[in-house]
Amino acid sequence: DAGVTQSPTHLIKTRGQQVTLRCSPISGHKSVSWYQQVLGQGPQFIFQYYEKEERGRGNFPDRFSARQFPNYSSELNVNALLLGDSALYLCASSLRREETQYFGPGTRLLVL
Amino acid sequence: GQQLNQSPQSMFIQEGEDVSMNCTSSSIFNTWLWYKQDPGEGPVLLIALYKAGELTSNGRLTAQFGITRKDSFLNISASIPSDVGIYFCAGQFLNTGTASKLTFGTGTRLQVTL
Repeated sequence: DAGVTQSPTHLIKTRGQQVTLRCSPISGHKSVSWYQQVLGQGPQFIFQYYEKEERGRGNFPDRFSARQFPNYSSELNVNALLLGDSALYLCASSLRREETQYFGPGTRLLVL
Repeated sequence: GQQLNQSPQSMFIQEGEDVSMNCTSSSIFNTWLWYKQDPGEGPVLLIALYKAGELTSNGRLTAQFGITRKDSFLNISASIPSDVGIYFCAGQFLNTGTASKLTFGTGTRLQVTL
């Protein structure tokens, strides 16, 4: 069975631009969570979606938004990019909100 | 954002040696997880712990959920070169109506020499 998939794998943007990252969960999983991992640190929670509704949000500005589609895939959008948004963006899926989370390979975003 | 205290920060060991690392928190969790992350990849789940005091093994890996619910440790026995990577602990607190987010530790970088 396929694991969590994310696209694109790498992305280079300039300050002020907008970016959309995509995630497909493991088949049958209904919850998707997004994390940001800055180099040298552990991942930080951004959003959790379950059954297409936002269930929680981490300490990130409103420039970050997300949504979950009827097929349970998800998109993370970041507007007005800053240099500090450069990071590995990880998506994790779980059967339900409270179940064990399995991570995808991530999208590495570089903001110049 | 909050990160759990994980130690040691890094360690160099010889192949065949045993490794221990631990993770502490100022708040309680009702699930502890251990992940391994290779460069440029996402974290891979190693062990999940769901009950205070629980001791769980996965091959050469053994992890325990502390009885205070504020700590966990991971042991790797007879290390091999492919054990190289960064190990993260993560705590999860489940509450009705809130996100079941993972709070990660600062990571332990393991390097194994022949």
